[in-house]
Amino acid sequence: GQNIDQPTEMTATEGAIVQINCTYQTSGFNGLFWYQQHAGEAPTFLSYNVLDGLEEKGRFSSFLSRSKGYSYLLLKELQMKDSASYLCAVRASLYNQGGKLIFGQGTELSVKP
Amino acid sequence: DAGVTQSPTHLIKTRGQQVTLRCSPKSGHDTVSWYQQALGQGPQFIFQYYEEEERQRGNFPDRFSGHQFPNYSSELNVNALLLGDSALYLCASSLGRGGRNEQFFGPGTRLTVL
Repeated sequence: GQNIDQPTEMTATEGAIVQINCTYQTSGFNGLFWYQQHAGEAPTFLSYNVLDGLEEKGRFSSFLSRSKGYSYLLLKELQMKDSASYLCAVRASLYNQGGKLIFGQGTELSVKP
Repeated sequence: DAGVTQSPTHLIKTRGQQVTLRCSPKSGHDTVSWYQQALGQGPQFIFQYYEEEERQRGNFPDRFSGHQFPNYSSELNVNALLLGDSALYLCASSLGRGGRNEQFFGPGTRLTVL
């Protein structure tokens, strides 16, 4: 089966660092995506990993270990506007031609002053 | 550069009715995927269209059908609506070949079935 797990909710303080973990078990793997979704809005792309290691993009970084079926999203210097749901998604297609995304349930992050 | 657009924004239907949702992909994209997102859950893949054909399908019944037009826009049709079909329906567009095929999402259509 296909399964993606991430914590349901997390709380952090403004200015701090938070790490959101994601573990996956899928029949194939061709990339892992992180999306941010504010309430009532569409998901917006944050990061993409297809090889092992860390991808850094401003205040956001994402890490992937394919052998462990594990990824994390790291958010630094948290701001109030970072309060949102963070979605981990795996593209399970065996070929790089689009392919469906399998999403986790999302992690609701609340940033407190 | 127009992003992904969807219509309508909101829709209220009653059980047993049929609904059609529409999506226009981001400029330059040729692939459209549809997702259903229930409240508090992640999006669930319904199907994907490329070159006017359904290329992949998720675990949704035949009541869910779609179409892609030559201009790459797409429709999602749901027949015999059930209460459980109430959700946010998201359309995502991407390039069918090459690259990381990042999917860009539209604002969604909120469907309520009474």
